[in-house]
Amino acid sequence: DTGVSQDPRHKITKRGQNVTFRCDPISEHNRLYWYRQTLGQGPEFLTYFQNEAQLEKSRLLSDRFSAERPKGSFSTLEIQRTEQGDSAMYLCASTRGSSGGAGSGANVLTFGAGSRLTVL
Amino acid sequence: GNSVTQMEGPVTLSEEAFLTINCTYTATGYPSLFWYVQYPGEGLQLLLKATKADDKGSNKGFEATYRKETTSFHLEKGSVQVSDSAVYFCALVEEHGSSNTGKLIFGQGTTLQVKP
Repeated sequence: DTGVSQDPRHKITKRGQNVTFRCDPISEHNRLYWYRQTLGQGPEFLTYFQNEAQLEKSRLLSDRFSAERPKGSFSTLEIQRTEQGDSAMYLCASTRGSSGGAGSGANVLTFGAGSRLTVL
Repeated sequence: GNSVTQMEGPVTLSEEAFLTINCTYTATGYPSLFWYVQYPGEGLQLLLKATKADDKGSNKGFEATYRKETTSFHLEKGSVQVSDSAVYFCALVEEHGSSNTGKLIFGQGTTLQVKP
């Protein structure tokens, strides 16, 4: 178990450029989540996948943001036409999701170290 | 909607002092409650959890009790160490019977600084 890997760890880009982040979850985890964290705030939910299906998207996820998980393994988060307000830490997390009842271990998310985006 | 509120930081303590970080929540269902910790330069790590009322989660000397009557999940430690310096996040997952998304809702985080 190598944990959740995110790449790159830090990306500096100019406003208007496109950026893509990659997340490799723990191999047996079928649920994958993306969060955004700005300085001094807690992580905010963006979207999640169960296998390859994207099941929920936050209103925070504007149409410049797109996420994919094509084979139910790794995931990418792309931001098009970046804006300075997109500067944040983008966190990925995974879990072994199930329809288990309250308190099941399925809800313990394992987080990656994050990808920090700086838009100049 | 569901939300989590934490006490503002930073909290600055001397080594071996008693720690309390307050957390209250609002939820329409039956949430599970969590504390995550973020050490400098590292990812979020689960510290402890509680899944139903009156449960006590504990780990590494930290404890938190799920209080449904006060909708609280305060984090406590009897004697903090310099190595406990980090940002602490309270979070919930709302669960509805057999259907849940596993989506965590976080508080804003509380920074703890422990001085030798």
